[in-house]
Amino acid sequence: TQLLEQSPQFLSIQEGENLTVYCNSSSVFSSLQWYRQEPGEGPVLLVTVVTGGEVKKLKRLTFQFGDARKDSSLHITAAQPGDTGLYLCAGPVVSRLTFGEGTQLTVNP
Amino acid sequence: DTEVTQTPKHLVMGMTNKKSLKCEQHMGHRAMYWYKQKAKKPPELMFVYSYEKLSINESVPSRFSPECPNSSLLNLHLHALQPEDSALYLCASSLSGLGGRNEQFFGPGTRLTVL
Repeated sequence: TQLLEQSPQFLSIQEGENLTVYCNSSSVFSSLQWYRQEPGEGPVLLVTVVTGGEVKKLKRLTFQFGDARKDSSLHITAAQPGDTGLYLCAGPVVSRLTFGEGTQLTVNP
Repeated sequence: DTEVTQTPKHLVMGMTNKKSLKCEQHMGHRAMYWYKQKAKKPPELMFVYSYEKLSINESVPSRFSPECPNSSLLNLHLHALQPEDSALYLCASSLSGLGGRNEQFFGPGTRLTVL
């Protein structure tokens, strides 16, 4: 059983479209992180959300942490081909980081 | 310096070879990690070093042997690997491995191919 469920698993859109990726759990997390990974590279930390109900913006990316700290979402406005990659949500569990299965995003020119 | 470096970038080895992967960070982080990642899947934790001591081994086969010579360096020694061990091997570091946010910073990885 996956502790963090991400959806959708795959997403292929045209440049300029908006999209939302979801990360859900039945467990409460003290914080959740979002990473983006490009092919052949390591994951890059985009943001950490800590407070329930928190909203953080990073240029065209908006991250939300659910009020109950069990879920998070990533919204991308006007997607660009450079946004293509594997998006991973992750949360700390004891001394580990547990990852969702990832969302593979492809933005076509 | 906010970077985790890994060498080599690519490695091809036979099943009888012995090789090592290297990882380095100079951010003063006290926890370092080895992950294995297959294509389009999330990273799978292999080992965690906290304050230079091995704190987690996720039942990894003994053909993988980690080493932490000092707080900045992490090695992964490889011996008698199998073709199914071919993957991207990622190193990561965090300020502390003892809980908290556990924000991890990843290196670019070593693409390993076992023939």
